[in-house]
Amino acid sequence: GNSVTQMEGPVTLSEEAFLTINCTYTATGYPSLFWYVQYPGEGLQLLLKATKADDKGSNKGFEATYRKETTSFHLEKGSVQVSDSAVYFCARDPGAGSYQLTFGKGTKLSVIP
Amino acid sequence: DGGITQSPKYLFRKEGQNVTLSCEQNLNHDAMYWYRQDPGQGLRLIYYSQIVNDFQKGDIAEGYSVSREKKESFPLTVTSAQKNPTAFYLCASSPGTGNGYTFGSGTRLTVV
Repeated sequence: GNSVTQMEGPVTLSEEAFLTINCTYTATGYPSLFWYVQYPGEGLQLLLKATKADDKGSNKGFEATYRKETTSFHLEKGSVQVSDSAVYFCARDPGAGSYQLTFGKGTKLSVIP
Repeated sequence: DGGITQSPKYLFRKEGQNVTLSCEQNLNHDAMYWYRQDPGQGLRLIYYSQIVNDFQKGDIAEGYSVSREKKESFPLTVTSAQKNPTAFYLCASSPGTGNGYTFGSGTRLTVV
């Protein structure tokens, strides 16, 4: 079946540090891939997405590249800010015929000044 | 602007009472979803609906009920049969495969 595995948290970084949050997915079909961000007390917001192999999604300084050969979609940011503190969820599309996303368990990021 | 609205943001109920959480979208999305989130936990799917007048159980449907009488609306009722209803509830909608979800801002339900 479809599954998404992302690195366990929590992750604590100093401001301006480099961020990587790993995400891998099962290779069933050719899914679209997503990263969502959830700030405390809020719903999830779409951060970026990629719809095919080698696509790079980017937004607000975050990037992720759809790697079919390694079935990965790792989230990166070159210099994190305190305002990036949130929970990050990786997700995959099930493919044709279904609208239901499969989410990873989420990774909590805390950025300290 | 289009979006998805959940109300209320905070809800308090006494044990044994049913409570209904509202979810409305004006995005013209076909599919709608309800998720439950507990502290430090991921998302667990309660119910989803891909078209009007049809819905399916998710992973944790016991103690919950839904209706989808209009495309725009997908209310969730938390019944007295739900053993641990205190949680953060998230509603989402989607236009279809490849587009991801749009989420509401959530309702925090506390049962005392």
